[in-house]
Amino acid sequence: KAGVTQTPRYLIKTRGQQVTLSCSPISGHRSVSWYQQTPGQGLQFLFEYFSETQRNKGNFPGRFSGRQFSNSRSEMNVSTLELGDSALYLCASSWGLADNNEQFFGPGTRLTVL
Amino acid sequence: DQQVKQNSPSLSVQEGRISILNCDYTNSMFDYFLWYKKYPAEGPTFLISISSIKDKNEDGRFTVFLNKSAKHLSLHIVPSQPGDSAVYFCAASFEGGYNKLIFGAGTRLAVHP
Repeated sequence: KAGVTQTPRYLIKTRGQQVTLSCSPISGHRSVSWYQQTPGQGLQFLFEYFSETQRNKGNFPGRFSGRQFSNSRSEMNVSTLELGDSALYLCASSWGLADNNEQFFGPGTRLTVL
Repeated sequence: DQQVKQNSPSLSVQEGRISILNCDYTNSMFDYFLWYKKYPAEGPTFLISISSIKDKNEDGRFTVFLNKSAKHLSLHIVPSQPGDSAVYFCAASFEGGYNKLIFGAGTRLAVHP
C-alpha cells in the first residue's frame, strides 16, 4: 500500500510570493492534517481536513489556508511569504473517524523563502 | 505557549544500555500521548502511545510511562541499538481534538557502539 506522498519535496520562493503544497493520503484515509516543523519548535499543527471540511485549526495567520478534494487529496497554500515561513511542511493522513487514529506522515516539503 | 516540552535537545547512549527520553506537559485536558521517531529526510513514524487511564504501556523494547500527577511521561528503550538513533517527538492530544497533535520540540538520540 502506497504511503503518504507530498509534492514538491523542495521549493525555493522569495518573500511576497505565494506557494501551494500538495499531499496525497494513503488510500482510504479521509483525514489529512498539516504541520509546520521549524528548528527548535517541533511540529506545530496547522489544520486538519476531513471529508473536504476543515475540522480543526491551529494558531497560524490567515495567510495559511488549505483545502481537501473529494478524493481526499489536500493542498495547503501560503500567501505573501515571509522569511519565517521557511520550514518543513508535513502532512499526515488517517482514517479520521474518531480521536487518536494513528497518523501516517509523508516525507514533507522543504520550503525555503529568500 | 509550549504545552508539551522536551527539555533535553539531545541524548547520547551506549549500545545495549537504556535510553530514557522525557516529556512534560502543562495542559491537564490532554488524555492521550504518543511518541514518534523521525529519521532525516523522512516523516515522523508512530512508535508507541498511552492513554491517560494507564500509567504504562509496553511494546517490545519500548515502554512509555505516564505520571499524570506530575504531568510527565517518559520513553524507555531497552536495549538501545544504533538503529534507534533518530529524533524522538513526544505528542499529546485531547478528547474532541480529533487528529490535532501538540508536539514537543524533539530529542535527538544518538546510540553509539
